[in-house]
Amino acid sequence: RKEVEQDPGPFNVPEGATVAFNCTYSNSASQSFFWYRQDCRKEPKLLMSVYSSGNEDGRFTAQLNRASQYISLLIRDSKLSDSATYLCVVTQYSSASKIIFGSGTRLSIRP
Amino acid sequence: GAVVSQHPSWVICKSGTSVKIECRSLDFQATTMFWYRQFPKQSLMLMATSNEGSKATYEQGVEKDKFLINHASLTLSTLTVTSAHPEDSSFYICSATDRGAYEQYFGPGTRLTVT
Repeated sequence: RKEVEQDPGPFNVPEGATVAFNCTYSNSASQSFFWYRQDCRKEPKLLMSVYSSGNEDGRFTAQLNRASQYISLLIRDSKLSDSATYLCVVTQYSSASKIIFGSGTRLSIRP
Repeated sequence: GAVVSQHPSWVICKSGTSVKIECRSLDFQATTMFWYRQFPKQSLMLMATSNEGSKATYEQGVEKDKFLINHASLTLSTLTVTSAHPEDSSFYICSATDRGAYEQYFGPGTRLTVT
């Protein structure tokens, strides 16, 4: 089983739709969680950090469920510019820091 | 803030030669820098973690003698691909974390093609 798993998609949704992704992680010692977006042939860019209390930034909402070991990303009123690959990142800080990227979920917004 | 640059952005080299890639944090001090490799349609794969002033920690399966990492200052880390082969052709991306923070900021990447 992979340490961090994401549905690879692609998710193909119409403009204006609401779409949600989940990302599960296997190590309960994981401590920090992030969502990044990556456009084709570009570097990942930090979208938002994910906290236990949940956090919202405009049309984007991220949630962390430690009991079930998953994080989620909700995008409301999707725009064409939201088309990208969304990567979840899990960081563990034990004897050595360990950063694990999910394989990404591809999202395509159609007009 | 939190800008990371990489140089070169694109390089073609012949098999057997070495290529150096630079990663710089422009507006913050990066105590830790990370080097990733990404093949087409695949996720990022962490190659090594580099702390300023100490030896890099390589991930399992990454040859430290082939991928030389130097993190000589708080703003610069370099990755040298030695004796490059066509299978080393990939997108190499560095990232850096600001002192005391967990978020990583990525450089724009270097596309390496070995012929």
